[in-house]
Amino acid sequence: GAVVSQHPSWVICKSGTSVKIECRSLDFQATTMFWYRQFPKQSLMLMATSNEGSKATYEQGVEKDKFLINHASLTLSTLTVTSAHPEDSSFYICSAKWGGNQPQHFGDGTRLSIL
Amino acid sequence: AQRVTQPEKLLSVFKGAPVELKCNYSYSGSPELFWYVQYSRQRLQLLLRHISRESIKGFTADLNKGETSFHLKKPFAQEEDSAMYYCALSGSGGYNKLIFGAGTRLAVHP
Repeated sequence: GAVVSQHPSWVICKSGTSVKIECRSLDFQATTMFWYRQFPKQSLMLMATSNEGSKATYEQGVEKDKFLINHASLTLSTLTVTSAHPEDSSFYICSAKWGGNQPQHFGDGTRLSIL
Repeated sequence: AQRVTQPEKLLSVFKGAPVELKCNYSYSGSPELFWYVQYSRQRLQLLLRHISRESIKGFTADLNKGETSFHLKKPFAQEEDSAMYYCALSGSGGYNKLIFGAGTRLAVHP
C-alpha cells in the first residue's frame, strides 16, 4: 500500500520550453504533497508543500512563478517548470501523505535534462 | 536553525560487522526523527521513525535528546543493507515537512 507514482521518469527538452511532472497517489488520498529537488550527490531539498484545493507553500529561495504547483485533487499534484533552462536540470521527487501524523511516501522521481 | 547533520558520506564495512550511521539534529522544540533508505534504483522508503520505537530489518535508532542525536544501528551488517541512508527531521506544526540530512552511503562487503 501507499504507492506514489511519478510521470515521466525522465524528460529531455530544449531550453525555453515548459515541462509538467505529475505525482499521483495510487491507493490513498493525499491531503498533502511535497516537491523536492535533488542535485547529484546531494540531499533532497524541499521546494514546496501543497494541499489539495489550496495554494502551495514555497520554501525560501524557490521561485513560485518558475515552479508552478497545482494540487487539484486528492490523488494528483503537478509541478510545471516554466521556461526551463539548463540550470533547472535536476532530479525532482514528490511525496504524499494522507494525514497530519502519517509519514511521507515517495515517488520514483523525475530526471529533468534541459539542453 | 533547523538542521540535520550526517557527518559520514560513506561507511564501508564487512558483512557481519556492526554498523552505526550517525545523525545529529538542531531544532528548537520537539521534532520527530526518521530514517529513510534508498536501495539502488529504488525509491526512497521509510525505514524507522522514532515514535514507533521498533526494529526494522535489524536496524534500531534511539532518540537522544541530550545529545540531539538519532544514530542508526545494526549489530551485524548484511550485504543487502548496502544503500543510501537519510536521516530526516519533522517539526511540530505546519504540514510536518521533512528536513533531510546529506545522506550516508553504506557499503557492506562480503
